[in-house]
Amino acid sequence: NAGVTQTPKFRILKIGQSMTLQCTQDMNHNYMYWYRQDPGMGLKLIYYSVGAGITDKGEVPNGYNVSRSTTEDFPLRLELAAPSQTSVYFCASSYSGTGGPDTQYFGPGTRLTVL
Amino acid sequence: AQTVTQSQPEMSVQEAETVTLSCTYDTSESDYYLFWYKQPPSRQMILVIRQEAYKQQNATENRFSVNFQKAAKSFSLKISDSQLGDAAMYFCARRGTDKLIFGTGTRLQVFP
Repeated sequence: NAGVTQTPKFRILKIGQSMTLQCTQDMNHNYMYWYRQDPGMGLKLIYYSVGAGITDKGEVPNGYNVSRSTTEDFPLRLELAAPSQTSVYFCASSYSGTGGPDTQYFGPGTRLTVL
Repeated sequence: AQTVTQSQPEMSVQEAETVTLSCTYDTSESDYYLFWYKQPPSRQMILVIRQEAYKQQNATENRFSVNFQKAAKSFSLKISDSQLGDAAMYFCARRGTDKLIFGTGTRLQVFP
């Protein structure tokens, strides 16, 4: 299993540009998450999904959009990029049974710089 | 607010020695999961250890063990026989409804 994969690894955007960060998992996990990590800080949840077709906002959703058309894929869309969105973005997935979501497995991250 | 607190922004340890990282949390639930994640300079988030709150026995993974005090809502990580490769940021996390709640992290330095 590849686990959680993210593309691209690095990206530089100009202010106002848009892009999509890709995330794919091959573990058949129902839960998927997007986090951002600013320098020297912890992880902040942007959006998450409890299954295909279902998404919900986290702590810091403004400026982002997500979709979950399949179990495997959970792309994150940045519209009108701003310097404040310069960060490292992590995708994660977990399996959730009746007890709730279990261990989250993380992708390698995407380092995004907006200039 | 349901929070996870790591009160030590930085810790250091000599190679082969033991170090303990602290974590406290807030919850009204009786059953939940707790986690320690390691983030080395590569930025990859790596699961170190996991504890289920209903289990009284402290989790252990090789050189890593936890001291789980449910009544005190404390979940510390002990690293024995520290190695240079243990140098990283360590994040404590608690499972909330549908998501993890992370602490702010502790940076661990390991000196030869």
